[in-house]
Amino acid sequence: DAKTTQPTSMDCAEGRAANLPCNHSTISGNEYVYWYRQIHSQGPQYIIHGLKNNETNEMASLIITEDRKSSTLILPHATLRDTAVYYCIVRVDQAGTALIFGKGTTLSVSS
Amino acid sequence: DVKVTQSSRYLVKRTGEKVFLECVQDMDHENMFWYRQDPGLGLRLIYFSYDVKMKEKGDIPEGYSVSREKKERFSLILESASTNQTSMYLCASSVPGHRSSRYGEQYFGPGTRLTVT
Repeated sequence: DAKTTQPTSMDCAEGRAANLPCNHSTISGNEYVYWYRQIHSQGPQYIIHGLKNNETNEMASLIITEDRKSSTLILPHATLRDTAVYYCIVRVDQAGTALIFGKGTTLSVSS
Repeated sequence: DVKVTQSSRYLVKRTGEKVFLECVQDMDHENMFWYRQDPGLGLRLIYFSYDVKMKEKGDIPEGYSVSREKKERFSLILESASTNQTSMYLCASSVPGHRSSRYGEQYFGPGTRLTVT
């Protein structure tokens, strides 16, 4: 699976958009970009995934650059409950392989 | 909403005890997984199952076994608990792979923090 690089930490004011970047310059053509988050002492939570098109769901938007070497997760109106560690994962879609979580980005949302 | 539940949030066991961790999902998912999470090591896959009575070893199966007698339930068994099995254990489930790009869309339970003394 391709390696990802994320900033260690980010801050965001409540109500503002949180834009979390991820670099995956060695991504292969058949690898998807997944985003998860983990709130302290809870299990990871799936957020969104995409291959090359931008994606949006009720939680977030995922913007993938045209060359697919980087992506941005956007939380449009961050709340205090969005404070968590956010993980960008790049992987081929196949059974029996673990999700490999790197160090992620610690997002702190403050009022 | 997908719900994955685990039998205990916190568990304390003694060295040598047999430990059962239970996981139940209510979304009729065929794939289920057991991970452990340790500081600095991230999530590591212990076992997974893609159907009832089917199981496959993950990256670190030593010292563990699993049981999947019903589709909704996946149990992790520590045959003889040791102190190096003190960890956070996470169960997850996902939809079948024939729905494209869904293997990576996994839904996790709240975790069981196991301490072996």
